[in-house]
Amino acid sequence: DAGVIQSPRHEVTEMGQEVTLRCKPISGHDYLFWYRQTMMRGLELLIYFNNNVPIDDSGMPEDRFSAKMPNASFSTLKIQPSEPRDSAVYFCASSYRTADNSPLHFGNGTRLTVT
Amino acid sequence: KNQVEQSPQSLIILEGKNCTLQCNYTVSPFSNLRWYKQDTGRGPVSLTIMTFSENTKSNGRYTATLDADTKQSSLHITASQLSDSASYICVVRGLAGTASKLTFGTGTRLQVTL
Repeated sequence: DAGVIQSPRHEVTEMGQEVTLRCKPISGHDYLFWYRQTMMRGLELLIYFNNNVPIDDSGMPEDRFSAKMPNASFSTLKIQPSEPRDSAVYFCASSYRTADNSPLHFGNGTRLTVT
Repeated sequence: KNQVEQSPQSLIILEGKNCTLQCNYTVSPFSNLRWYKQDTGRGPVSLTIMTFSENTKSNGRYTATLDADTKQSSLHITASQLSDSASYICVVRGLAGTASKLTFGTGTRLQVTL
């Protein structure tokens, strides 16, 4: 398996622009997570899905952030409008079941820079 | 408030030496504790997952220990290699009801030098 695939790897955009991050989870995994990582705060959960349904979005910073999972093999995280404080590395992760000891499988992240 | 604290923040050791990274947590009730390795520019990769009943778990040169009574864990790296240079992140999962909320430490950055 190719693992969790994220695109793009790097994104540089100007403040106010829309940004869309993409994720393809590992086939067969029924949980998908979006995390944000910064030096100051480490990894923070933004939202997670179970069987394509959003379960907990309490970590989404504000209404500028939205996430969708139209099918089992694809998810997007959208920021509109983007702000400089959104600059971070965004990770997508998937797992098979979350209530047991299944590890999270992370993608290699999208490094977002908003100028 | 659930917290995971790691020490040291950073560490430099010579190749071939051993080292131990520490993790203290306050997450309760507790389900399991995980150690992840994160290479620069990559996503974290799982090293070990330990449940309440496990004291020690090994993965090659990596050995994790867990003391659920004192809420402490350590990751011991034996005979370090240059490829061990990475950040090591301790992650604690609460029991059902908090399962969505893994609590992450901010990591220990390890540099192995010649």
